[in-house]
Amino acid sequence: SQQGEEDPQALSIQEGENATMNCSYKTSINNLQWYRQNSGRGLVHLILIRSNEREKHSGRLRVTLDTSKKSSSLLITASRAADTASYFCATDAWIQGAQKLVFGQGTRLTINP
Amino acid sequence: EPEVTQTPSHQVTQMGQEVILRCVPISNHLYFYWYRQILGQKVEFLVSFYNNEISEKSEIFDDQFSVERPDGSNFTLKIRSTKLEDSAMYFCASSTGNTGELFFGEGSRLTVL
Repeated sequence: SQQGEEDPQALSIQEGENATMNCSYKTSINNLQWYRQNSGRGLVHLILIRSNEREKHSGRLRVTLDTSKKSSSLLITASRAADTASYFCATDAWIQGAQKLVFGQGTRLTINP
Repeated sequence: EPEVTQTPSHQVTQMGQEVILRCVPISNHLYFYWYRQILGQKVEFLVSFYNNEISEKSEIFDDQFSVERPDGSNFTLKIRSTKLEDSAMYFCASSTGNTGELFFGEGSRLTVL
């Protein structure tokens, strides 16, 4: 089954540093998405990268996608305390007209002030 | 900004009882989903719903689960006879189906005793 797996499982850095999280998956995808989840809260969509794209930017976020390696990375530049959260990649396939996201285990990011 | 709303935020129930979790998706969205997240684990797909019928369901979504869109706004998840292992955070999501981005609610925490 297609499955996003994040690496590392936990990451702790100082405010102002860059944070890089990686995701690997197993099967072909239509697109790959990254979501953020603050503790005890819902999932917030961050960025979507399509299978024919290699890199995408949104503010301080930079996502890359390497379909040959079935991997993606999320870079948060100039991290802030408010970036502390869990980050999930999700692979996206349309199956019989329905969209289905398969989430990875997530990376718990802690930004230390 | 439009958002997906879920009620209740937390429900405690006895094993064997029926539970209904309610969601109000974003009004112009056409696709509706339920996901769940057992504490400390990944977010898992349960079911997708489009055009008043289930598009796809996972292995988790057995005969004890059902979904309904009883009117033009609500989207409900019913668990007929709850089990201890149904304890989880249940997330409703909706999408237009065009961009691939899912909009999630804040979740309903279900505790089965």
